[in-house]
Parts: sequence; structure tokens; C-alpha cells
Amino acid sequence: GAGVSQSPSNKVTEKGKDVELRCDPISGHTALYWYRQSLGQGLEFLIYFQGNSAPDKSGLPSDRFSAERTGGSVSTLTIQRTQQEDSAVYLCASRNIPVAEQYFGPGTRLTVT
Amino acid sequence: QKEVEQNSGPLSVPEGAIASLNCTYSDRGSQSFFWYRQYSGKSPELIMSIYSNGDKEDGRFTAQLNKASQYVSLLIRDSQPSDSATYLCAVNTGGFKTIFGAGTRLFVKA
Repeated sequence: GAGVSQSPSNKVTEKGKDVELRCDPISGHTALYWYRQSLGQGLEFLIYFQGNSAPDKSGLPSDRFSAERTGGSVSTLTIQRTQQEDSAVYLCASRNIPVAEQYFGPGTRLTVT
Repeated sequence: QKEVEQNSGPLSVPEGAIASLNCTYSDRGSQSFFWYRQYSGKSPELIMSIYSNGDKEDGRFTAQLNKASQYVSLLIRDSQPSDSATYLCAVNTGGFKTIFGAGTRLFVKA
């Protein structure tokens, strides 16, 4: 079956611009997670959704970051006024609660110039 | 203390040898344990899940769990150059959050 998809695969933007990253989870998966991975680093948890609600937003680095999920499916991560330190790979994962396994999408590589 | 700890490596093994990757975790209530493989420039791929003490085998991979010692390991038998990647240990305590280790880089020399 189809896995997690993310778009765009690559995004180059100028400092100060806003960007939207999209995640389409595995069909039927109720939970959705966003992570960030800087070059050579581990996974940094950003936010997760159970259905359309986000019980834990503790990982969002600043108020420039926001995310939403609609229809219990697609999610968008928005970064406003991008900074160079936002350059990273943004990964989305989905999970079929109560099963614990998470499955990752291919990621969006964001470069802020 | 980090919640999930792994040796960053690199761990270098010759082709055909057994690679042993180790992970310790801090939360005694942890219930589910995972190993992900991440090739350079790619996203993590789930390769093993283990829930109870003991060994779980899947092909050339064996996951080992010891909850008393808060220790989980991954053995790769007959290592191949294609196994060269970063291996992430991940632990779930039963809630929504899964904690990932920073990963161990494995190099398998031909």
C-alpha cells in the first residue's frame, strides 16, 4: 500500500519568506508526527497530532512554527519568516494507534539562503 | 542523562562479520522498542520491533531486549556493505511519544 508522502521533496527559500510543508500519512493512521533533522544530527521532535488535535506542541522551536491537520489526514507545517537555522530535513511519520510503530515519509529538505 | 543513549560510532566491521549495536534507555516504564535504519540522505526505515524480554529474529537481524538492565541491542549477522547506515534505537513508553536515540553509524568494509 501507499506509504507516507511529503511535498515538496526539496525547497529553497530566501530568508524571511514563509514556507509550507505538506505531509500525507498512511491511509487510516490516526496519529501524525513532525520531526526535524539537521545535517548529521538526530531527530528533533516538533509536534504530533491525534486526529486533528495537537496535544503536544512542546517541540516547536519558536512561534514562527505552526502546524495543522485537517480531516484527520493531511498535515501542513508552516514556517514563517524563515531563518538560516531553519535549514534541515523535515520528516513526517504516521502511526495507527494503538500500534506503536511509526512510519516515516521521505522528508522535505529545506534550504534557507 | 539522555533518555535513549547510543554510541555514535562509527562502528566498523568486515564483511561477513556480526555487527552488534547497543542502546540503553532511562524510563523503566518503556514498553515498545524499535530499530530504524537510515541511509545517508534518506529517511528512517523501521527494521525491527520488540516488546518482550529475549530475542526476536528476522532474517539476518536479531533484536535483543533486557528490561531489567534497560538495554536493547541489534545484531546483524553476515554483515554486508549494503548494511552501512546509521541505526536509530527508539523507545515508546506507552504514550504518544517515541524517543529516538542519536544513532550509531555502521560501516561494513568489503
